[in-house]
Amino acid sequence: QQQVKQSPQSLIVQKGGISIINCAYENTAFDYFPWYQQFPGKGPALLIAIRPDVSEKKEGRFTISFNKSAKQFSLHIMDSQPGDSATYFCAASINGGGSQGNLIFGKGTKLSVKP
Amino acid sequence: DAGITQSPRHKVTETGTPVTLRCHQTENHRYMYWYRQDPGHGLRLIHYSYGVKDTDKGEVSDGYSVSRSKTEDFLLTLESATSSQTSVYFCAISESTGGRGNTEAFFGQGTRLTVV
Repeated sequence: QQQVKQSPQSLIVQKGGISIINCAYENTAFDYFPWYQQFPGKGPALLIAIRPDVSEKKEGRFTISFNKSAKQFSLHIMDSQPGDSATYFCAASINGGGSQGNLIFGKGTKLSVKP
Repeated sequence: DAGITQSPRHKVTETGTPVTLRCHQTENHRYMYWYRQDPGHGLRLIHYSYGVKDTDKGEVSDGYSVSRSKTEDFLLTLESATSSQTSVYFCAISESTGGRGNTEAFFGQGTRLTVV
């Protein structure tokens, strides 16, 4: 049973545009929501993360929006650049440690930014 | 890559043979993980370790075993490789898995395994 659903599977955006990737979760106990970025041939790397006590977190051109009541969170990439072309994964885990703290990943979104 | 080395980086093996993948870290992080990545499935947890000789199963553990005899090394073994285990395998480490501490997971470069 997939606990984190990510959409779209792929996304094409023009340079300078806004890229939006959405995730929905089922387990209301999740309380840590990171986004990972992966370039071809590399391992995923943490991009930005949020906890549910805030509705938005911004780091440079990257923003996470969080809607606790809807159990949804999204990644917005402003002024998208060709260098942002990568696969993006959302994930979730539960505070408290142990096995519940293991990250559950969405299936990924392949972003292509056209020059 | 946060001091994580996976070996080998690429391997081709025959069905039915045993295969061991190694993950070595220099960060002294407590938690270590093995994930597999397949198209359309994202990253799925195979096994994880929360200390030396302390391991547990993840979502897709069938056909895999692990061992951790030292803090820095986490081994993934396919006892009898099958074509369905053709995948890219990632090792990850983290200092903690919960609380208000750092829960960031750092990933290695991956091992591409092909079972023919």
